[in-house]
Amino acid sequence: EIVMTQSPVTLSVSPGERATLSCRASQSASSNLAWYQQKPGQAPRLLIYGASTRATGIPARFSGSGSGTEFTLTISSLQSEDFAVYYCQQYNIWPQTFGGGTKVEIK
Amino acid sequence: EVQLLESGGGLVQPGGSLRLSCAASGFTFSSYAMTWVRQAPGKGLEWVSSISGSGGSTYFADSVKGRFTISRDNSKNTLYLQMNSLRAEDTAVYYCAKEMYAAAGYYFDDWGQGTLVTVSS
Repeated sequence: EIVMTQSPVTLSVSPGERATLSCRASQSASSNLAWYQQKPGQAPRLLIYGASTRATGIPARFSGSGSGTEFTLTISSLQSEDFAVYYCQQYNIWPQTFGGGTKVEIK
Repeated sequence: EVQLLESGGGLVQPGGSLRLSCAASGFTFSSYAMTWVRQAPGKGLEWVSSISGSGGSTYFADSVKGRFTISRDNSKNTLYLQMNSLRAEDTAVYYCAKEMYAAAGYYFDDWGQGTLVTVSS
């Protein structure tokens, strides 16, 4: 199975700053990659699919890029509601697998 | 609006059984594959099992294969997860999610709020 590795594990960012999260696949995931946001006590929420397509209702400050084995989620200007854990998931090769997550915390 | 509501979680002893349910509304249930994803306390997300829209095809993670069964009742818009021979490592919040097919596989566009399963003596 494809192993997804996210870095950093924790990212400390000030409100209004840019956050860049990385996700690396152990073999090619093509562009079949999704990003999810999870806040404490809540279910995950789909942000991005197809590596770069925002899901319905997701603000434009969230953007995804990459293909193959290297992917990036960028939050252009962090808002208070963006502090959460973010997970990547590949769905190119069965079984679909998740990364371990990146926690974005307030600096 | 899509709604997914899980139920059936609770405390169970090792070796015991539990059946989770997920009631769906707001979409044509039978047209979509569905999945269960779990999250152990303080840990990340782990895919557990999926089922096709018709219920004719099922898939399981190696960690639960032979112990868990997934099924659905499209007349009741409900997804199930039958969990047998439960182990301490099965302790987690279990989420049901609606699958979206894209290119090569599935991502999960709507999630329930989750139900907690605790396996302990």
